[in-house]
Formats: sequence, C-alpha cells, structure tokens
Amino acid sequence: DGGITQSPKYLFRKEGQNVTLSCEQNLNHDAMYWYRQDPGQGLRLIYYSQIVNDFQKGDIAEGYSVSREKKESFPLTVTSAQKNPTAFYLCASSIVEEQYFGPGTRLTVL
Amino acid sequence: QQQVKQSPQSLIVQKGGISIINCAYENTAFDYFPWYQQFPGKGPALLIAIRPDVSEKKEGRFTISFNKSAKQFSLHIMDSQPGDSATYFCAACRSNYKLTFGKGTLLTVNP
Repeated sequence: DGGITQSPKYLFRKEGQNVTLSCEQNLNHDAMYWYRQDPGQGLRLIYYSQIVNDFQKGDIAEGYSVSREKKESFPLTVTSAQKNPTAFYLCASSIVEEQYFGPGTRLTVL
Repeated sequence: QQQVKQSPQSLIVQKGGISIINCAYENTAFDYFPWYQQFPGKGPALLIAIRPDVSEKKEGRFTISFNKSAKQFSLHIMDSQPGDSATYFCAACRSNYKLTFGKGTLLTVNP
C-alpha cells in the first residue's frame, strides 16, 4: 500500500526544545517537501529536496533543519530558534510536478 | 509578494448548485496549475490539474478553466454536494517543481 506517512499525528513541545517530525514515503519519488500551514495562510514551503543528500531552503526555512540520507525519508527538525512553531506541518513527495501530501503533524508549543 | 491570488476566501453554495473558485497568477513562467482539496485535520489531496496549452479540463463534476492571456484559472464544481465541503487550494509551478499556493477557499455546501 503506497503512500506518505507522517508521525506523530500530534506533538507537544515545551519552549526551548528541539523536536523532529518524521516523514516516510514508499512511492519511489525523488523529490520531497516540507510545508507549514497556518489558518488563513495557505501552505508555505520550509525545505525541499530533489535528490538524496541534497536539499534547499524554501520561503520560511529559519528555525528549521532537514536531512535527506535516504530516498524514502525526509525528517524535519523544529529548533528552539523557531519563534512561533505551533502549526500544522505537511510533508509531500512528487513525481515530476504532481505533489502528494501526507496526513500531517500538528505541533503545539506549550 | 503573493504570486497566486485566490478568491473568494469563503463560499456558501446550496446542494446541486455550481461552486466557482478563482485564481490569478503573476509569473508567466508557471506551466502547471493544480487544485487541491483539504478536509479538516487532513493533508491536501490533488484534485485536478491543467497546463497552459489547454483552456479547459474536466474530471467528473470538477472542471478547470484556464485563461492564459488574463493569467487566471478557475475551478468549477458542478452539482455541488455536502461532501464537497472542504478547503480548496489553487497552486502554480514552474519546471523546478516548487508549488506556490493560493491562500485557500473554504467551501460550504448546504443540504
């Protein structure tokens, strides 16, 4: 059963802590993406990777970091430097332009 | 700078009616225009997409109309149903595969 999985579904973090969000895909897609979604703001690109061991900053990369050691995996770390991390985080992968999204992780900073 | 402007922000339609959502873009290098449907608490799902070489694409009750000269495209949902109630996002992309999204339209279809 092919698809994109994100874990956990809900995540709570104390201020000053780093947290890592998981994203795995078994679609054999080369490109993977991380977006942040806030109410009324649409989807904003954080980081993207078109091949293994390579990634680029998106529009709002400050306070975030990623790695792409395997084709299937693209974890996102939300660092303590991110001023307002409470949001819905979406991972996507693509074949050519067609992007497919995972179910999302809702991060809440307490 | 917002490169894809979407309207309206919210839309209420009666069951059986036509829902119309509009998007305008600025970058003439965009060559792929998808629409996504998102239910609360879920990830967006690709609904339908169009390229600039065609003016219309239809899939079931969903139609994209594309006007290259006006740099506008729209989603029409025919015979709208309560199950269509969701947030719809338009997007645009160049050949580097980075999608630029509109801010979304919350559609409510009343029974």
